[in-house]
Order: sequence, then C-alpha cells, then structure tokens
Amino acid sequence: NAGVTQTPKFRILKIGQSMTLQCAQDMNHNYMYWYRQDPGMGLKLIYYSVGAGITDKGEVPNGYNVSRSTTEDFPLRLELAAPSQTSVYFCASSPGQAYGYTFGSGTRLTVV
Amino acid sequence: AQSVTQPDIHITVSEGASLELRCNYSYGATPYLFWYVQSPGQGLQLLLKYFSGDTLVQGIKGFEAEFKRSQSSFNLRKPSVHWSDAAEYFCAVVGGATNKLIFGTGTLLAVQP
Repeated sequence: NAGVTQTPKFRILKIGQSMTLQCAQDMNHNYMYWYRQDPGMGLKLIYYSVGAGITDKGEVPNGYNVSRSTTEDFPLRLELAAPSQTSVYFCASSPGQAYGYTFGSGTRLTVV
Repeated sequence: AQSVTQPDIHITVSEGASLELRCNYSYGATPYLFWYVQSPGQGLQLLLKYFSGDTLVQGIKGFEAEFKRSQSSFNLRKPSVHWSDAAEYFCAVVGGATNKLIFGTGTLLAVQP
C-alpha cells in the first residue's frame, strides 16, 4: 500500500501565481484533511472532507480551495499565492474517529 | 471548543534517561487522544492512541501514555530514551462527527549523548 501520496515535495512560487497540491490515498478512507505546519504553531486545519462530494472549511481556509470528486483524491488549490502561504502542507486520511490519521510526507512550499 | 496544550516547547534529556512529555486537553465528552512523532523533514507517525478502556496505553517504539480524566491530561512517557527518539512530538484530540484532529503546538525533544 502506498498510503497517502503528496506531490510535489517541494515548490517555489512567485507572488500571484497559482498551483495545485495533489493528494491521493489508496486505503478507501472517507475522511481527508489538509493541514499547514508553521514553526512553533503546530498544525492548522485548512479544509477537510468527510466523503466524495463533501468538503468544508477548517481553521485557516482563506486563500485556498479544495474539491473531492473521488474517494481517492483531495487536491488543494492555491490561488494568487502570497508570502503568508509559505509553509509545509500535509494531507491526511482516516477511516474514522478511533483510528487516527495517516499522513503524507508533506509539500514544502515557498512563495517569493 | 476542543483544544490541546503542550506546555513544554523544547526538552533536552540524556540518552538512557526517562522521559515525560506533557499534554493537557479541553473537551466536553470522552476524548479520543493521540500522540504523533515527526522526525525532521518527515510526515507525522502515530505513536499511540486512547479512546476507551485501560487508561494506560502502549504504543510503538517503547512509548506509553496515561489518560487522567481528573487532570485532563494525556502525558507521554518512555523509561529509557534513545538518540533516535530526537524528534518533535504532537498531542492531538479529536471529537465530533467530522473527525477533525486538533493538535498541540508540539514539543521538540533533543537527546544528549
């Protein structure tokens, strides 16, 4: 099993550019999540999905968008990148509350 | 609202010494609690979890944690630390139908030879 796969691993964007961070899981998990991690701040939830076709905002959704057309994929879209979006982004999936999450290896994004 | 507090930002221990990392949570009902570890440049790996039953839970890599409802705590322990345990440790709580994890800000563990 591949688990949760995130691409790319690293990316440098210029201010105002857009990009999509890809996330795919092969465990048939209904729940999927996007977090960002900044030094000393822990992980903050950006968006989440409880199943295909259902998404909702987390704690820090501004500047981001998501879609969930299939159970496997949960891409995160950055429109008009800003320096404040420089961060490490983690995607995670879960089968339910008692199981915890499986995390991807992260995408390190720098906006210059 | 749910929240998690990890009061220690940075801890240094000597190799072979015991370790306790503190975690306090705020949640109205019985919480689902987790400890994750993150090595530099890596994703997060689940160490252990608690959701019911025995309040002392065992995890991977020789770690254990004890759930104390009266103190709203879920502290992580290890009897003898190895140099490979140097990493950042995150406590988290989940609740509600959406299964959202709320993370603490993490404790960075350094291990001295």
